[in-house]
Amino acid sequence: LAKTTQPISMDSYEGQEVNITCSHNNIATNDYITWYQQFPSQGPRFIIQGYKTKVTNEVASLFIPADRKSSTLSLPRVSLSDTAVYYCLVGDIMNRDDKIIFGKGTRLHILP
Amino acid sequence: GAGVSQSPSNKVTEKGKDVELRCDPISGHTALYWYRQSLGQGLEFLIYFQGNSAPDKSGLPSDRFSAERTGGSVSTLTIQRTQQEDSAVYLCASSLLVTGLYQETQYFGPGTRLLVL
Repeated sequence: LAKTTQPISMDSYEGQEVNITCSHNNIATNDYITWYQQFPSQGPRFIIQGYKTKVTNEVASLFIPADRKSSTLSLPRVSLSDTAVYYCLVGDIMNRDDKIIFGKGTRLHILP
Repeated sequence: GAGVSQSPSNKVTEKGKDVELRCDPISGHTALYWYRQSLGQGLEFLIYFQGNSAPDKSGLPSDRFSAERTGGSVSTLTIQRTQQEDSAVYLCASSLLVTGLYQETQYFGPGTRLLVL
């Protein structure tokens, strides 16, 4: 599974656009990039998944450059309820050492 | 439809006792995963099942930990002779099928909060 690196924490204000970047230098050809969101006292929840270029859904956008060595989760016009931990996950357990590594994620704190 | 459920939601036990944590995956999901999350930490992968088999159990923290899955559905994570360092939230997730061709979306349960006194 590709090792990922994310900022430990970020602060932003309501109404702003928030971009969280994840580095994954050793991403493999078949790897997809997936982002999860976790609120306190809950399990993680799928946000978005992509392979290349740009993916957009009702919650977020995911930007992936041509070399795929990084990806950026973009949250438009955040609100207080977007305060959560965001995890970047790359790869599939079937392709590597059968371990899934979510890491510590990025703690996003939205301020009023 | 129903999501992943886990029971109990909270468990307080004494050091040295055995505990069983249960996970009911989404119906029809072939893959099932167990994670552990200590306070303020990321998710630590423990084990996954494809059907009833677990290809690799090396993620389990010690031989006090074991997991099984029967009938391709319910899974039980058992911790024997619990220690205080076992205190954590134990999360279960399921996905439709582990294909290796793309990354499955995992659907998580609410977790079991284990406290070992």
